[in-house]
Amino acid sequence: EAQVTQNPRYLITVTGKKLTVTCSQNMNHEYMSWYRQDPGLGLRQIYYSMNVEVTDKGDVPEGYKVSRKEKRNFPLILESPSPNQTSLYFCASSQIGSVLGYEQYFGPGTRLTVT
Amino acid sequence: KNQVEQSPQSLIILEGKNCTLQCNYTVSPFSNLRWYKQDTGRGPVSLTIMTFSENTKSNGRYTATLDADTKQSSLHITASQLSDSASYICVVPREAAGNKLTFGGGTRVLVKP
Repeated sequence: EAQVTQNPRYLITVTGKKLTVTCSQNMNHEYMSWYRQDPGLGLRQIYYSMNVEVTDKGDVPEGYKVSRKEKRNFPLILESPSPNQTSLYFCASSQIGSVLGYEQYFGPGTRLTVT
Repeated sequence: KNQVEQSPQSLIILEGKNCTLQCNYTVSPFSNLRWYKQDTGRGPVSLTIMTFSENTKSNGRYTATLDADTKQSSLHITASQLSDSASYICVVPREAAGNKLTFGGGTRVLVKP
C-alpha cells in the first residue's frame, strides 16, 4: 500500500530535549515536505526537499532541521524544542515538486507537546 | 503578498443538501490550485488539482471550479453525506518560490442528519 508513515504519532517532551520525528514514504517520490498545523493558522511549510541531499526552507524553518540522506526518508529534527513548537506535524511527499501539479500525499500526523 | 483566503470559515448543512465553498487567491504567477479534505486529526487528502486551463473538475460528488481571471475557485459538494464532515483546504503553490505552498485557512463543514 502506497503511504507516508510518521513516527511517533504522539509525543510529549520537555523544553530543550532533542527529538526526531521520522517520515518515510514507499512511493519513490522525489519531493518531500514537513508542515505544522496550528489552530487559527492553518498549515505552514517548515522545510522541503526536492531530492536526496537537496533541502530548502519553507515559511517557518526556525528551530527545525531536516536531512535527506535517502530518498524514502525525511526526518524532522528539533535540536532544542520549545513550547511554541507544540503543534500537529505532517510529512508529505509527491512525485515531483508541487508547481508541476502532482498531488501531495500526507502522513497521519504527529502531535507534539513541549512542556 | 501571496495569500489564499477561504470562506466561510465554517458551515453546517443537513444531510442530502448541497453546499459551496469559496477560495480566493492572490498568488502569482499561478500554476495550479488544489483542494484537500482533512478529517479531524488526520492528514489532508487530495480531492482535485486544477491547472490554469481547467475551469471545472469533478471527483465524485465534489466539483471544483476555477476562474483564473478573477482568481477564484469554488468547491461544490452535492448531496452531502455525514462522511463529508471535515475541513476543506484550498492550496496554491507559489511558483516563483519553487515548491512552497500557500494554504488557505480552511472551511470546516459539519453535516447533520
